[in-house]
Amino acid sequence: DIVMSQSPDSLAVSLGERATINCKSSQNVLYRSNNKDSLAWYQQKPGQPPKLLIYWASTRESGVPDRFSGSGSGTDFTLTISSLQAEDVAVYYCQQYFSTPYTFGQGTKLEIK
Amino acid sequence: EVQLLESGGGLVQPGGSLRLSCAASGVTFSSYAMTWVRQAPGKGLEWVSTISGAGYSTYNADSVKGRFTISRDSSKNTLYLQMNSLRAGDTAVYYCAAGGIRLGLFDFWGQGTLVTVSS
Repeated sequence: DIVMSQSPDSLAVSLGERATINCKSSQNVLYRSNNKDSLAWYQQKPGQPPKLLIYWASTRESGVPDRFSGSGSGTDFTLTISSLQAEDVAVYYCQQYFSTPYTFGQGTKLEIK
Repeated sequence: EVQLLESGGGLVQPGGSLRLSCAASGVTFSSYAMTWVRQAPGKGLEWVSTISGAGYSTYNADSVKGRFTISRDSSKNTLYLQMNSLRAGDTAVYYCAAGGIRLGLFDFWGQGTLVTVSS
């Protein structure tokens, strides 16, 4: 199984500042058919289901604000929120969809400082 | 607008059974792989089962193999999860999710249904 590890577990950032969340996979998740990494990021606000933000490591889902960006390759990935807004308070999960069992990171709780 | 509406959750005794349903609308149902993901109270996300768009292929987490069965009825645009031999560790909110970009990627999510396994 591919193990996904996120850091930090929690993060407090001031409004307007940058937030960075890291995700590491225990194996390479490169999908050779399109040469893209099978890595997604989800946002889950309290009492709500998760929402897809980023897929193929860096492709933003339609409607997601451009302050959210994904980067990285191989086994190391990053979600960056360039200027934190109050509505970004949530738990963020990375997930690999390279192979079953599809696995998620443990989550990073993002709060306002 | 894509809508996924889960139902069928509730309280069940250990060893009991339950069938979850997920009604889809606003989407060409057969074009999407469908998945169940669960979240234990206060915990993270755990993938449970996936079924391909045509329904020919299914995939299950080891933790539910032999106990849970995923299926779909395209005539009703509905996804199911038959859960047998339920354990306390199966207590969670169960979300259905639809994926059209790539198998294992979850584009749209329902609101979830709570399953509680307790005596």
